[in-house]
Amino acid sequence: DAGITQSPRHKVTETGTPVTLRCHQTENHRYMYWYRQDPGHGLRLIHYSYGVKDTDKGEVSDGYSVSRSKTEDFLLTLESATSSQTSVYFCAISDQTDRGSGANVLTFGAGSRLTVL
Amino acid sequence: AQKVTQAQTEISVVEKEDVTLDCVYETRDTTYYLFWYKQPPSGELVFLIRRNSFDEQNEISGRYSWNFQKSTSSFNFTITASQVVDSAVYFCALSVVPGGKLIFGQGTTLQVKP
Repeated sequence: DAGITQSPRHKVTETGTPVTLRCHQTENHRYMYWYRQDPGHGLRLIHYSYGVKDTDKGEVSDGYSVSRSKTEDFLLTLESATSSQTSVYFCAISDQTDRGSGANVLTFGAGSRLTVL
Repeated sequence: AQKVTQAQTEISVVEKEDVTLDCVYETRDTTYYLFWYKQPPSGELVFLIRRNSFDEQNEISGRYSWNFQKSTSSFNFTITASQVVDSAVYFCALSVVPGGKLIFGQGTTLQVKP
């Protein structure tokens, strides 16, 4: 199995509280991504990172921030969780070496199920 | 803008039937990649295939086959002689150059009954 772990795997929190999800990889892959999965929407990209301290927004980034201070860790933070952020969150990594290449195969973590009450 | 559409939300078949999952994509880019991922009931996402826009050859892998047609912007996935273990959600995805981010379709839930 690819060395990618997400924590926590399950979390229940209340509206307005901050939440941080962690993605940790042992593959030394440069590229990391956060997606959310919701019924009827498939997976939608929240944020992604091309390297340490190099991050960018995806299609559903409002309400989320990320940080990548080390190659192996990519953190997703909900500053003030809302019920609309109840979802399953997937981290993914890629060994893509060229930022301009669209050929990357993403390897996904097991997912983190977040419930915001 | 890029978009992937999987119009079939749910499909139910009986074991040993053949089933085709449809995928239609939209992009103005001439260079792009198409993918299929499988999500079994356990929840993980498993990579199945990648195809680039310059390679329209069909591909067969065991009971799985993929038909890529640029003329109709489709990348359909066929499972021959389906089995219960094929029950899963299947996602089609698109990646364009530059950028490399995957854009997913809504997913098709396949249920294979014994």
